[in-house]
Amino acid sequence: DTAVSQTPKYLVTQMGNDKSIKCEQNLGHDTMYWYKQDSKKFLKIMFSYNNKELIINETVPNRFSPKSPDKAHLNLHINSLELGDSAVYFCASSQDSSGSTEAFFGQGTRLTVV
Amino acid sequence: GDSVTQMEGPVTLSEEAFLTINCTYTATGYPSLFWYVQYPGEGLQLLLKATKADDKGSNKGFEATYRKETTSFHLEKGSVQVSDSAVYFCALGGSGTYKYIFGTGTRLKVLA
Repeated sequence: DTAVSQTPKYLVTQMGNDKSIKCEQNLGHDTMYWYKQDSKKFLKIMFSYNNKELIINETVPNRFSPKSPDKAHLNLHINSLELGDSAVYFCASSQDSSGSTEAFFGQGTRLTVV
Repeated sequence: GDSVTQMEGPVTLSEEAFLTINCTYTATGYPSLFWYVQYPGEGLQLLLKATKADDKGSNKGFEATYRKETTSFHLEKGSVQVSDSAVYFCALGGSGTYKYIFGTGTRLKVLA
């Protein structure tokens, strides 16, 4: 049983399209995250939610809109996709928002904008 | 702000060689420290962690000790295997920022 699962694993789309990535965790964690990994493997936080409430929005363009319908799910919707959005997007979860315990990561969604 | 600095890669070693990947951090407060490993095409997996000064995390032959005096958390393994080839990330959390901060990653390649 996968702890943090995200779909799809691969996403190829044209510039200007709108797309969504879904994430679910079955660990009973309170906090979920979206990270972006660029081509050089650098990981940058985008959003963090704690019990469905947004607690971090790290200067991400408005075209990115996260939604957390319940604390087990955190989806990412991207409007008007641009070439620069091509990256691997990782969902993660942790027991709470303190950061003192480890985060569990999904397998990633490789987004390619053409 | 808080940050993590780890050595530039790639690191290329022969099988059974000794591995050290350096990691230093800057943080306010008392963070927890982590090493994650990413195999090709996969997500990040926790390798080991330490939550307070002088703690030693260990797993699968890898070790790292939380050194507050040198703000370091260097990863070591006595004898690497080809299967250890991956990208290794040092990270910190729990410093009051509600996020995990990652180093730039170090790619390790182990040759048979």
